[in-house]
Amino acid sequence: DVKVTQSSRYLVKRTGEKVFLECVQDMDHENMFWYRQDPGLGLRLIYFSYDVKMKEKGDIPEGYSVSREKKERFSLILESASTNQTSMYLCAGRGGSYNSPLHFGNGTRLTVT
Amino acid sequence: QKEVEQNSGPLSVPEGAIASLNCTYSDRGSQSFFWYRQYSGKSPELIMFIYSNGDKEDGRFTAQLNKASQYVSLLIRDSQPSDSATYLCAVPSIDSWGKLQFGAGTQVVVTP
Repeated sequence: DVKVTQSSRYLVKRTGEKVFLECVQDMDHENMFWYRQDPGLGLRLIYFSYDVKMKEKGDIPEGYSVSREKKERFSLILESASTNQTSMYLCAGRGGSYNSPLHFGNGTRLTVT
Repeated sequence: QKEVEQNSGPLSVPEGAIASLNCTYSDRGSQSFFWYRQYSGKSPELIMFIYSNGDKEDGRFTAQLNKASQYVSLLIRDSQPSDSATYLCAVPSIDSWGKLQFGAGTQVVVTP
């Protein structure tokens, strides 16, 4: 079974801190994604990566950056955390074919105070 | 026009009845369709996927594609309280099929 693992289930950080959210997948997926999900706003794509060291902006990249140094690991970085970045963050992996489904990690609920 | 649209609900369904959810998509060339279930506070989990070559049944779940009208349906037979969740539909994005475009989700509430 596909496994996407996010390093933290819950995280509390202070405004202005630099925050790292880590994600690891075990299925050799080419594509990896970071979403955030807020009540009433649905899933919003922050960044995605289709290969090592490759990244593309999603719908809401402002305030975030990503790193993909190895195929299995995709990190989301909040350069200077703000309260409006309090959210559920979801990492996902997807194979390289058109028909491949997306597999989500368990999510990280981040609270910025 | 959004790429994927769903009625947000809530869809209230008596226990034992059939829940019917629809998802419309804008790209006539879409060939893969994915259904996810998301419980409150949890991440989405894949429950069904179909391709343009036909419908699919898996246990109590059936996914049906209507290409002419550009919508895909999810039927949940013999609905149970454990089916109460938000159901998300997704299709490969028009501008980059490596991404999936998600609908906003339909909330289903199964009442005993």
